[in-house]
Amino acid sequence: DQQVKQNSPSLSVQEGRISILNCDYTNSMFDYFLWYKKYPAEGPTFLISISSIKDKNEDGRFTVFLNKSAKHLSLHIVPSQPGDSAVYFCVAGGTSYGKLTFGQGTILTVHP
Amino acid sequence: DTAVSQTPKYLVTQMGNDKSIKCEQNLGHDTMYWYKQDSKKFLKIMFSYNNKELIINETVPNRFSPKSPDKAHLNLHINSLELGDSAVYFCASSLGGGTDSPLHFGNGTRLTVT
Repeated sequence: DQQVKQNSPSLSVQEGRISILNCDYTNSMFDYFLWYKKYPAEGPTFLISISSIKDKNEDGRFTVFLNKSAKHLSLHIVPSQPGDSAVYFCVAGGTSYGKLTFGQGTILTVHP
Repeated sequence: DTAVSQTPKYLVTQMGNDKSIKCEQNLGHDTMYWYKQDSKKFLKIMFSYNNKELIINETVPNRFSPKSPDKAHLNLHINSLELGDSAVYFCASSLGGGTDSPLHFGNGTRLTVT
């Protein structure tokens, strides 16, 4: 039962262009969403988050958009840099205290 | 000065053995977690502890037993290892236990059961 789905296993983008990573969720009880980034042989690191009372949160080159009615969120990276190449996990929380549900991840490759 | 460190990094063992994975955090966080990343790459929570008290205990076989001697340590002991236990296990910590408290992960322990 995949409550958080990242339907694109991979995404390839040219340096300087925009990267858009998408995520859909099924559980309407989710009220907090996060994106984590993971490099090979390392643990995931927190990137950006958004509460369900907002529809947008921006932090430098990273912006997360939330569309609650569509149960959809996206992460925009502008401009993309080769160092952004990593696996990006969409994560949702709120169904029970402290419990986070991870998506399967999207491999982003940014070409120089 | 690693924030969340777990050992060993790799663990290869045979079915039926008992093994432990250790985790330590030097961030002063109150909550620690164990996550399992399966072959399909999903990260799923197994346990969380807040100040040595068990908070989350997902549907995990009782062969898995977490132990938190103090709030900076959360170890995972696995009895009678099975092939299906092969996965990458991540330890994490957070300042609070709510979902709005970002997790800090260790670099993972790749467990291979043969």
